[in-house]
Amino acid sequence: AQSVAQPEDQVNVAEGNPLTVKCTYSVSGNPYLFWYVQYPNRGLQFLLKYITGDNLVKGSYGFEAEFNKSQTSFHLKKPSALVSDSALYFCAVRDMRGGAGNNRKLIWGLGTSLAVNP
Amino acid sequence: SAVISQKPSRDICQRGTSLTIQCQVDSQVTMMFWYRQQPGQSLTLIATANQGSEATYESGFVIDKFPISRPNLTFSTLTVSNMSPEDSSIYLCSVAPSGGAADTQYFGPGTRLTVL
Repeated sequence: AQSVAQPEDQVNVAEGNPLTVKCTYSVSGNPYLFWYVQYPNRGLQFLLKYITGDNLVKGSYGFEAEFNKSQTSFHLKKPSALVSDSALYFCAVRDMRGGAGNNRKLIWGLGTSLAVNP
Repeated sequence: SAVISQKPSRDICQRGTSLTIQCQVDSQVTMMFWYRQQPGQSLTLIATANQGSEATYESGFVIDKFPISRPNLTFSTLTVSNMSPEDSSIYLCSVAPSGGAADTQYFGPGTRLTVL
């Protein structure tokens, strides 16, 4: 079965410290992976994606994510957290059933609430 | 990217009534989607809105309850019919501009619906 797991409901980190939000996946074939952020009372904003190529992907607001095929993970990272990074983070993977060209749906994780403390 | 607007941004409705939510994109897009999200929870895909044909609904969602229109490549509507308090949720419109498997989905700001 194709799935995405975000093992932590909540992550707490002090401002200025590095942060990691974890994501693991299970799909057939090569994964297309995405990270989104949702600030309170806002829609989802795209952060970054991995399609192919370099395993380290850089995105918006200083975030990056590392694709690890052997561990089937795509953890989101930032070297120095800001209080304004406090939000809900979602990992998603493209549903590849039916082939890469036939299905546009995303499979979503349950989300991780990040709290950055001053 | 695409700029997406939704109307209304929020509404409070009575049980048994219907509400139509509009989604407008600033450019032509291939794919449009409708999601439902409880505050602080994950997203649930309701349907994919197909231009010029019927929407494709996910398991647990039916056309009679959630009729969808997509008259062109920049606009779609979702109607929540015969509402009950269980329909209280945030409804999100999303688009994939080119529709390719690697394409990014972009989201509107959402419509917060409360059913009394």
